[in-house]
Amino acid sequence: KNEVEQSPQNLTAQEGEFITINCSYSVGISALHWLQQHPGGGIVSLFMLSSGKKKHGRLIATINIQEKHSSLHITASHPRDSAVYICAVSDTGNQFYFGTGTSLTVIP
Amino acid sequence: SQTIHQWPATLVQPVGSPLSLECTVEGTSNPNLYWYRQAAGRGLQLLFYSVGIGQISSEVPQNLSASRPQDRQFILSSKKLLLSDSGFYLCAWSAQMNTEAFFGQGTRLTVV
Repeated sequence: KNEVEQSPQNLTAQEGEFITINCSYSVGISALHWLQQHPGGGIVSLFMLSSGKKKHGRLIATINIQEKHSSLHITASHPRDSAVYICAVSDTGNQFYFGTGTSLTVIP
Repeated sequence: SQTIHQWPATLVQPVGSPLSLECTVEGTSNPNLYWYRQAAGRGLQLLFYSVGIGQISSEVPQNLSASRPQDRQFILSSKKLLLSDSGFYLCAWSAQMNTEAFFGQGTRLTVV
């Protein structure tokens, strides 16, 4: 069993839809990261959070420490949001564990 | 299946010493290769990427360099380490026409 599980693996949405990507983890963490990888491979760090909720533009990330669960939401999705979204956690020893990613395609 | 190897897992080096981190990929050919760094309390930062042997692109100016002597080998180097080079370094690969990236286990570098 992986330390970090993401769902769904693949997601196709119509432009404007509200999107949710889920992440569950099994280790004790110091922080959880949401990453975005664009076609071509470059990775952008979207959020780093250890509690509560963070918002940046149309992106919202939440974390529930007790349930060991995080969600990434995209409001009013757009084709430029098409990318692979990766959940990663760093444990108290700063070891990183990565989910396998969610491939999102937003259709105009 | 494809695998990525990165070593060492942890490294403690004195200021001014050289650095060499190695990353190799198995089971695929002509991958895109990446070096990322995460400094304490910060997100991942792309340092270098390579689309082929001898082709290196640098995203940020720094005290580090990268080389790709073979198709599936990517090396991160420094001639003289600085304290600010401390951090967690990740190697990754992606297939040419694929958006997924696969990461190595990372190297925890502490410069003292």
